Amino acid sequence: DAMVIQNPRYQVTQFGKPVTLSCSQTLNHNVMYWYQQKSSQAPKLLFHYYDKDFNNEADTPDNFQSRRPNTSFCFLDIRSPGLGDTAMYLCATSNEETQYFGPGTRLLVL
Amino acid sequence: SQKIEQNSEALNIQEGKTATLTCNYTNYSPAYLQWYRQDPGRGPVFLLLIRENEKEKRKERLKVTFDTTLKQSLFHITASQPADSATYLCALEFGGFKTIFGAGTRLFVKA
Repeated sequence: DAMVIQNPRYQVTQFGKPVTLSCSQTLNHNVMYWYQQKSSQAPKLLFHYYDKDFNNEADTPDNFQSRRPNTSFCFLDIRSPGLGDTAMYLCATSNEETQYFGPGTRLLVL
Repeated sequence: SQKIEQNSEALNIQEGKTATLTCNYTNYSPAYLQWYRQDPGRGPVFLLLIRENEKEKRKERLKVTFDTTLKQSLFHITASQPADSATYLCALEFGGFKTIFGAGTRLFVKA
């Protein structure tokens, strides 16, 4: 089945220790998104790619970076995680209307 | 800035009844509006999309309305079942791949 896969599903890291979350898709969609979702809050868009064209949201901290080496893969790098970065990180792809989400990576920063 | 309001209080209904969830927004009307379902610890799943020039859209037991004058969308689940218990998110698309999500309303359907 075509799908969006995120790894790992759970990640624990220490304050300040870099972490990388990965996302892959078999849908062959041009657009990929990264969202941050804290408990009982709305998913917050961090950035998106249209093909290799990167689009950063104005309020996304510099601490968050992304890479998209090819159509199928996208990575979220958090260079120096703070306690406030504890959240669910959601990857999504789009056919230019509907978004298809992965299961998310739950990140805990200690 | 654009804001989306969904009822933060959980909605509790009896099995078989119709659940109605509300999404209100401020400022500009979106190109289209979507509803997603999210289960605990999972990613959202797309349910329905309605465009700004459409008043109503249906899919099986689901119905969405969109009133750009009131700046409001209503999401209905008829003949609700315990399996419908989840959080339902409203999302507004303004073009340019800019999507804004609401925080969602938690629905509990009791058997």
